[in-house]
Amino acid sequence: QVQLVQSGAEVKKPGSSVKVSCKASGGTFSSYTISWVRQAPGQGLEWMGRIIPILGIANYAQKFQGRVTITADKSTSTAYMELSSLRSEDTAVYYCARQSPPHDYSRFYFDYWGQGTLVTVSS
Amino acid sequence: QSVLTQPPSASGTPGQRVTISCSGSSSNIGSNTVNWYQQLPGTAPKLLIYSNNQRPSGVPDRFSGSKSGTSASLAISGLQSEDEADYYCAAWDDSLNGRYVFGTGTKVTVL
Repeated sequence: QVQLVQSGAEVKKPGSSVKVSCKASGGTFSSYTISWVRQAPGQGLEWMGRIIPILGIANYAQKFQGRVTITADKSTSTAYMELSSLRSEDTAVYYCARQSPPHDYSRFYFDYWGQGTLVTVSS
Repeated sequence: QSVLTQPPSASGTPGQRVTISCSGSSSNIGSNTVNWYQQLPGTAPKLLIYSNNQRPSGVPDRFSGSKSGTSASLAISGLQSEDEADYYCAAWDDSLNGRYVFGTGTKVTVL
């Protein structure tokens, strides 16, 4: 059974950066594609970007281009999402999710999700 | 702001049928498959329907999905109290260099 376990809650100052981890177990991590999705309090879901660990290739939603970096460490089966220049509007729960089929560019879905990491941006 | 539009709320009594619509465009629903996610309060989303009308293992057949043109819908038949949750449609959108987009979300209340 695939499991995605994320790092704990973070409190950050405006202008700083945050790095959230997502450790996978129960499958072959290098064959996954992992996306990051966030949800502001009381709001809907927003896709930020994804990475294909076996290729080390990431692509990002235009909204976050230049401010988000998604990486993966195959040796520890862990994906990371780093968001910089934080502002109060970035306060949200951040989820990692596994894409299936893993290498389909557009006709995919998220079959496994992490438990979520609350990032609070406050001065 | 979401590019897939859903009604903010829907409701029904136990046993009733509830339908949730999802309206998109040619760059998303019109050219890609639609998925639906269920989110119970305080939990991560859960895949409910994929590829327009497919149910993952373990999802009751009370849930069904359909797609026509640039719109999709989710139906819940035989509504149960545990179905009270937020529901999101989603699809890949080919605009803006490509992105995965979610619907605005629908809160289903069991009366």
